[in-house]
Amino acid sequence: DAKTTQPPSMDCAEGRAANLPCNHSTISGNEYVYWYRQIHSQGPQYIIHGLKNNETNEMASLIITEDRKSSTLILPHATLRDTAVYYCIVRVPLDTGRRALTFGSGTRLQVQP
Amino acid sequence: GAVVSQHPSRVICKSGTSVKIECRSLDFQATTMFWYRQFPKQSLMLMATSNEGSKATYEQGVEKDKFLINHASLTLSTLTVTSAHPEDSSFYICSASRDSHYGYTFGSGTRLTVV
Repeated sequence: DAKTTQPPSMDCAEGRAANLPCNHSTISGNEYVYWYRQIHSQGPQYIIHGLKNNETNEMASLIITEDRKSSTLILPHATLRDTAVYYCIVRVPLDTGRRALTFGSGTRLQVQP
Repeated sequence: GAVVSQHPSRVICKSGTSVKIECRSLDFQATTMFWYRQFPKQSLMLMATSNEGSKATYEQGVEKDKFLINHASLTLSTLTVTSAHPEDSSFYICSASRDSHYGYTFGSGTRLTVV
């Protein structure tokens, strides 16, 4: 799996957009970018994933640069419930279910009232 | 969907006793499940990969005789912490995947406190 680099922590005002960056300069052509988050004392939760096109779902948007060396997770209107550690993970999907996800240190997002 | 249920959510046990944690895939079958451990303010660390009908694969440094894993059916994996000590106090999380479309689903975790 390609190595990812995320800032250790970020703050965001409630109601504003939270933009969480992730660098993955060694990503290979068949690797996807996945985002999970972990709210305190809970198991991680899937947010979104993408290969090269921008993706959007009910939780967030994922913007992947054209060279795919970095991406940004966007929470359009952050709420206090979005306070969590956000993990950016890069890997191939083909062995999903047979090989575990590997978590880095993630970004601790604190949404401020 | 793809739901993983983990039980218990919290357990306190005395030093020297054993504790069993269950992980169930509720709406899908999982030939493989994963067990993680998480210490305060740290990331999730993979402990072992649980394979239905065969022995679990443990990560380096994880004692297989201390952390017994049983995956007897396609919907249930159990982790037993044997002869627990205070240093085993941690947050234990299981995970499974229905398929590549659903990705990985995680249990809600078990907070183990050994006193």
